[in-house]
Amino acid sequence: QSVMTQPPSASGTPGQRVTISCSGSDSNIGNNYVYWYQQLPGTAPKLLIHRNNQRPSGVPDRFSGSKSGTSASLAISGLRSEDEADYYCASWDDTLGGPDVVFGGGTKLTVL
Amino acid sequence: QITLRESGPTLVKPTQTLTLTCTFSGFSLSTYGVGVGWIRQPPGKALEWLALIYWNDDKRYSPSLKSRLTITKDTSKNHVVLTMTNMDPMDTATYYCTHTDESSMVPPDYWGQGTLVTVSS
Repeated sequence: QSVMTQPPSASGTPGQRVTISCSGSDSNIGNNYVYWYQQLPGTAPKLLIHRNNQRPSGVPDRFSGSKSGTSASLAISGLRSEDEADYYCASWDDTLGGPDVVFGGGTKLTVL
Repeated sequence: QITLRESGPTLVKPTQTLTLTCTFSGFSLSTYGVGVGWIRQPPGKALEWLALIYWNDDKRYSPSLKSRLTITKDTSKNHVVLTMTNMDPMDTATYYCTHTDESSMVPPDYWGQGTLVTVSS
């Protein structure tokens, strides 16, 4: 069972805007940055969003991140077939005796 | 350009010790704040953080696996090694080596391609 909660699945049609939520707590999202990763089938996770809403070089501006309190969201606009992948949120966690980095359970995005 | 590559056995027997090596380039593990860590992913399941070693040799472990894990670094060779004792079939997973930037207390930014380790007799 993951420390942060994501919906297991999401879907949309090409061109649509889709959002994926990530719910945490004060010890992680509430006091630390949120990161988002895209994992295409059979490949390693790739950083999509860091420091809540910053895109690394090369990531299209169709991808955006936001954070409010202990929750965060990833938005994908202009959905494309190549966006079909698993998406994970992550954050540092301050819980004493807990893991330093925590993840959501992942959301499988299907492009219909 | 930061790259990381995992190497090690693809098959280990139950109770054996797993040793994985991460060979990296494009950064130095002697740079203030930088860390190299390990994350695993069982087939079809979510990501699990395992361990992290910092530029100053500070070592951090997942509490649930701490008794079985050891992480070390060789800065001169650009290597980080993870050992996991008493392997079990439940430890079957793809193991990823990761880079954490100078911000230190953040999730990783770069990932290796991963290496699948199967635990079976």
